[in-house]
Amino acid sequence: DVKVTQSSRYLVKRTGEKVFLECVQDMDHENMFWYRQDPGLGLRLIYFSYDVKMKEKGDIPEGYSVSREKKERFSLILESASTNQTSMYLCASSSLLALQYFGPGTRLTVT
Amino acid sequence: GIQVEQSPPDLILQEGANSTLRCNFSDSVNNLQWFHQNPWGQLINLFYIPSGTKQNGRLSATTVATERYSLLYISSSQTTDSGVYFCAVPSQGGSEKLVFGKGMKLTVNP
Repeated sequence: DVKVTQSSRYLVKRTGEKVFLECVQDMDHENMFWYRQDPGLGLRLIYFSYDVKMKEKGDIPEGYSVSREKKERFSLILESASTNQTSMYLCASSSLLALQYFGPGTRLTVT
Repeated sequence: GIQVEQSPPDLILQEGANSTLRCNFSDSVNNLQWFHQNPWGQLINLFYIPSGTKQNGRLSATTVATERYSLLYISSSQTTDSGVYFCAVPSQGGSEKLVFGKGMKLTVNP
């Protein structure tokens, strides 16, 4: 079975802190994604990576950056967390067929 | 960009009832995926269905690509079917990036 894991299920951070969300997949997938999910808005793509060290902005990249130094790991970075970044963050990976597999999600609260 | 609309937005059922979820999309697509998000937040891929009909137990899905819609059928619903159902299509032809609908919240009561 494909497995996508995320470093934390719940996270509470203070405004201004630097936050790292880690995602690891074990299926040698080329593509990895970070989404945020907010009530009434569905899933929105933050960043996408199609290869190591390669990244592409999604629909809402402002306030976020990403890092992909190894194929299996994709990190989302909030340089200076703000309260409007309180959300559910979901990581996914996919093969060339574009079938996406999701991690369990991280509920981030910024106070 | 491509638009994805799901209906109904919310549905409450009694256990054992059947339901149909609809997904409309605004442009031609070469794949469509249905996902179920359980109450704990985990999204599971249900179907990869660019066209035609597929069945998996009590669930089945049909995509009519020429008319730009897909349907997800849930028969004999169970409380474990509760959650949010999403459909998603590529953001543009051949893209691996998906555009998601806003989801449909299903509640199945015992």
